[in-house]
Amino acid sequence: QKEVEQNSGPLSVPEGAIASLNCTYSDRGSQSFFWYRQYSGKSPELIMSIYSNGDKEDGRFTAQLNKASQYVSLLIRDSQPSDSATYLCAVIGNTGFQKLVFGTGTRLLVSP
Amino acid sequence: EAGVTQFPSHSVIEKGQTVTLRCDPISGHDNLYWYRRVMGKEIKFLLHFVKESKQDESGMPNNRFLAERTGGTYSTLKVQPAELEDSGVYFCASTQSGSTYNEQFFGPGTRLTVL
Repeated sequence: QKEVEQNSGPLSVPEGAIASLNCTYSDRGSQSFFWYRQYSGKSPELIMSIYSNGDKEDGRFTAQLNKASQYVSLLIRDSQPSDSATYLCAVIGNTGFQKLVFGTGTRLLVSP
Repeated sequence: EAGVTQFPSHSVIEKGQTVTLRCDPISGHDNLYWYRRVMGKEIKFLLHFVKESKQDESGMPNNRFLAERTGGTYSTLKVQPAELEDSGVYFCASTQSGSTYNEQFFGPGTRLTVL
């Protein structure tokens, strides 16, 4: 079992729709959760971080965390073609160290 | 404020040669991380510096990889001798000490190709 799992996609949504990206993790003691966006050939760009159960909203993005079920999700409202990218879920586990453990990413395609 | 920078952006070398990658973290960031993405796989942690000290090097694949951060500013990652399986994109990230949530900011990466 991978430590952080994501559906590789692609997830295709029309412009203006809500895109829902999901991630599960295996370390029940994980403390910090992040979503990065990566355009092809570019570096990962931090877009959301979440540490407590529940929802966290920032503009068109909402991160949701459920520690009991060990999943974290990212909702993108009013999706735009410019949102087309790979979205990486990353987790800091309960090891005492601060390394990020990444999923393989979900490719999102937003069609005009 | 300048972000994390990495040099070179691309490097093509032959098997058995040596390559040195450089990372300059965001100014004032004491924590510096190296990660690597091999084609088709997820980004994986290599090691973590706090200032000039190695905090965690559990991800270093073998002793052909040597990371340094003399003076606690920029860091270098040397691969000697390079093997074919070392090909990939090497990312550096940094974060401020005392950051509650350890949000890591990534550099543009160095794409290494070993022929």
